[in-house]
Amino acid sequence: EAGVAQSPRYKIIEKRQSVAFWCNPISGHATLYWYQQILGQGPKLLIQFQNNGVVDDSQLPKDRFSAERLKGVDSTLKIQPAKLEDSAVYLCASSKQESKKLFFGSGTQLSVL
Amino acid sequence: LAKTTQPISMDSYEGQEVNITCSHNNIATNDYITWYQQFPSQGPRFIIQGYKTKVTNEVASLFIPADRKSSTLSLPRVSLSDTAVYYCLVGPLTNMLTFGGGTRLMVKP
Repeated sequence: EAGVAQSPRYKIIEKRQSVAFWCNPISGHATLYWYQQILGQGPKLLIQFQNNGVVDDSQLPKDRFSAERLKGVDSTLKIQPAKLEDSAVYLCASSKQESKKLFFGSGTQLSVL
Repeated sequence: LAKTTQPISMDSYEGQEVNITCSHNNIATNDYITWYQQFPSQGPRFIIQGYKTKVTNEVASLFIPADRKSSTLSLPRVSLSDTAVYYCLVGPLTNMLTFGGGTRLMVKP
């Protein structure tokens, strides 16, 4: 069974630039999550999708972050404009509907200079 | 959501049993307990989940006392490859998404 795919693996940008991350969840998983993990901390949930609808985006900085999940499969997370404090690993996870178990991708490591 | 408290770090040696305890004093009746493992440069990986008493799988055991205010993840005979960060999560099955700081386990030869 293929895992959660994310790209790119690494990204370096300058502050005020924009960046996008892509995630392909495990086939058949209706729920998709984006997490932000700052070095030395646990992952922080940014947004949760159920199919192509948003379940929870209460911790997403909506002035600069946006996410979409078209057709209820792949998802993209965008930051525009980026700030220095956005440097982190962005993790995508998926689960079966109301599953007990999350499956994570390897993440995208973002460095904002 | 129930707040969890774990040791920041632990050291062990190869071949030893490691027990990591998580405190969750305000756990709710419908809350479960889940543990994830995270290696450097990887996303977290599900290890084990339970509600009460004891759960065991091929990787670990989870011990939950009757009052459920704490839980202990037990890793038998650890190896160097068990060096990782271990996270304890508490919540209902449909909303168990909040990670704390985790416990950094270092296994030494």
